[in-house]
Amino acid sequence: RKEVEQDPGPFNVPEGATVAFNCTYSNSASQSFFWYRQDCRKEPKLLMSVYSSGNEDGRFTAQLNRASQYISLLIRDSKLSDSATYLCVVRGLSNFGNEKLTFGTGTRLTIIP
Amino acid sequence: GAVVSQHPSWVICKSGTSVKIECRSLDFQATTMFWYRQFPKQSLMLMATSNEGSKATYEQGVEKDKFLINHASLTLSTLTVTSAHPEDSSFYICSALSDSFDSYEQYFGPGTRLTVT
Repeated sequence: RKEVEQDPGPFNVPEGATVAFNCTYSNSASQSFFWYRQDCRKEPKLLMSVYSSGNEDGRFTAQLNRASQYISLLIRDSKLSDSATYLCVVRGLSNFGNEKLTFGTGTRLTIIP
Repeated sequence: GAVVSQHPSWVICKSGTSVKIECRSLDFQATTMFWYRQFPKQSLMLMATSNEGSKATYEQGVEKDKFLINHASLTLSTLTVTSAHPEDSSFYICSALSDSFDSYEQYFGPGTRLTVT
């Protein structure tokens, strides 16, 4: 089983629609959770952290359920510029005790005009 | 946010040669830097963690003698792919950990696309 699993998509949705991504993680000792965005042939960029209480940043809402080891991202009123691959990322410790980010394979989103 | 640069941004080399990739934190000091590899349509995979002044720690399955990492200063880490082969062709991305009183985050470089012919 992969450490971080995401639906690879692709998701093709019309501009203005709401879209939701899900993610599950296997390591219950994971400490922190994030959503990153990666554009084609570019580095990943932090979109937002994810907290147990749920958090919102403009059109983006993230939720974390530690009991279910489940993370979600909701994008409302989607824009053309939201087209990208969204990466679910979990932070924990490696076998050496170092910080380690584990990335999901990403969900590809295309917003259609 | 903090800025991390990588050089070169892309490189083509012949099989059997070695390639060095540099990762620099431009406006902060990074005790810890990370090297990732991303194959097409796959996730970023951590290759190794680099701590300034000490040996890097490598993830399982990553050959330390093939991927040489040097972190000689608080702003520079290098990854050398030795005796590169076509299967080493990939997108190599570094990140630098900013650990200050108001920030604890990995900042990613723009990546280096390596093609081995």
